Amino acid sequence: SQQGEEDPQALSIQEGENATMNCSYKTSINNLQWYRQNSGRGLVHLILIRSNEREKHSGRLRVTLDTSKKSSSLLITASRAADTASYFCATDLLYQTGANNLFFGTGTRLTVIP
Amino acid sequence: GAGVSQSPSNKVTEKGKDVELRCDPISGHTALYWYRQSLGQGLEFLIYFQGNSAPDKSGLPSDRFSAERTGGSVSTLTIQRTQQEDSAVYLCASRTRDRPFSGANVLTFGAGSRLTVL
Repeated sequence: SQQGEEDPQALSIQEGENATMNCSYKTSINNLQWYRQNSGRGLVHLILIRSNEREKHSGRLRVTLDTSKKSSSLLITASRAADTASYFCATDLLYQTGANNLFFGTGTRLTVIP
Repeated sequence: GAGVSQSPSNKVTEKGKDVELRCDPISGHTALYWYRQSLGQGLEFLIYFQGNSAPDKSGLPSDRFSAERTGGSVSTLTIQRTQQEDSAVYLCASRTRDRPFSGANVLTFGAGSRLTVL
């Protein structure tokens, strides 16, 4: 499968703590993205990191990418109850003519306890 | 429209019936994707459209599944002779040809159509 695999599958933390989710993938990528899905809703794009970048920040989000290990991590600092959602990594593969290049992982279910 | 619209939001059908799910992408978005998400699972790619053509149908699970797109806009996913294992949320997403984020595939998703086959 070309999908990413997130780890852990589920994570429960107290409000104010940091949450770290990991994603591993198998093939060479253009970029890796993280999306969030609230219960019963579609996915929302959070952040993108390119294959030549190692770290990216956006507000309380920090993403790292290690292409040698084919892995990425998403850190949410100072978590809030509203961060409760499922988080998916998506790998944008090196361009293949006419083919779908974007593959989603299995997701991490984050619960932030107030 | 301002976002990706999907209808119906919920559909309950009997095994063996045909269903049609509709996706109305963001105006001007030339690429359109369908994904399937089973309960508590990740996203399973079904089909990808560029304009009205579908260069990648590799994810369609069987010949009971088909999709079309007309006018470079609205897409319909049809499932014939539904089975209980077809129960899932069907998500549609679109992106612009110009690929914001300097060439990256960044998708805007609809809220999904939840299909329940009894």
